[in-house]
Amino acid sequence: EVQLVESGGGLVQPGGSLRLSCAASGFTFSRYWMHWVRQAPGKGLVWVSRTNSDESITTYADSVKGRFTISRDNAKNTLFLQMNSLRAEDTAVYYCARGSSSCGNCYSDLWGRGTLVTVSS
Amino acid sequence: DIVMTQSPDSLAVSLGERATINCKSSQSVLHSSNSKNYLVWYQQKPGQPPKLLIYWASTRESGVPDRFSGSGSGTDFTLTISSLQAEDVAVYYCQQYYSSPLTFGGGTKVEIK
Repeated sequence: EVQLVESGGGLVQPGGSLRLSCAASGFTFSRYWMHWVRQAPGKGLVWVSRTNSDESITTYADSVKGRFTISRDNAKNTLFLQMNSLRAEDTAVYYCARGSSSCGNCYSDLWGRGTLVTVSS
Repeated sequence: DIVMTQSPDSLAVSLGERATINCKSSQSVLHSSNSKNYLVWYQQKPGQPPKLLIYWASTRESGVPDRFSGSGSGTDFTLTISSLQAEDVAVYYCQQYYSSPLTFGGGTKVEIK
């Protein structure tokens, strides 16, 4: 089955760190751009970061630049998001999403179910 | 950053009737090199992740019912559900991919009247 499964979310104190993972299966992970998108409770979608197939290109939203790092392990079909210096406003469900085959850095054609990150003391 | 503005915030439509959602970008998302509009529509049902509906502003994703259609060019776009079904209750988002950062509209909630 083609799917993405996120993990690693949880409760963390302000200033803390968390590492999210996204396990891909059912498709050739190493060929695709991958994205992270987040959604605060009851709010809309916000793009966070993306990386190309070999991690040579990575881009970030200004709100997370310098604090978050996207990476991937193509041998293990896994995408990561290292989140440091977390703030209350980072509280959200974090979705892993696959870039489309026709325009990988553009839009996503496959999404995981998300993992909730709560930043609170 | 390109700001995406959707309207209305919510709408209630009777079953079988037409639903129209608007999306306006703060600058054109029409790329002159290929004459394509860099705009996508997603559907998000309660408790679920987003689902791709339409890309390049008007190309329906495989498996998406043909009652969903996208139109528009430049800065003004529309998602139309020609005959609303109960399973279409959801929040709909537009997103531009013309430039980084990728940006989403605020969403439009569609309900049954």
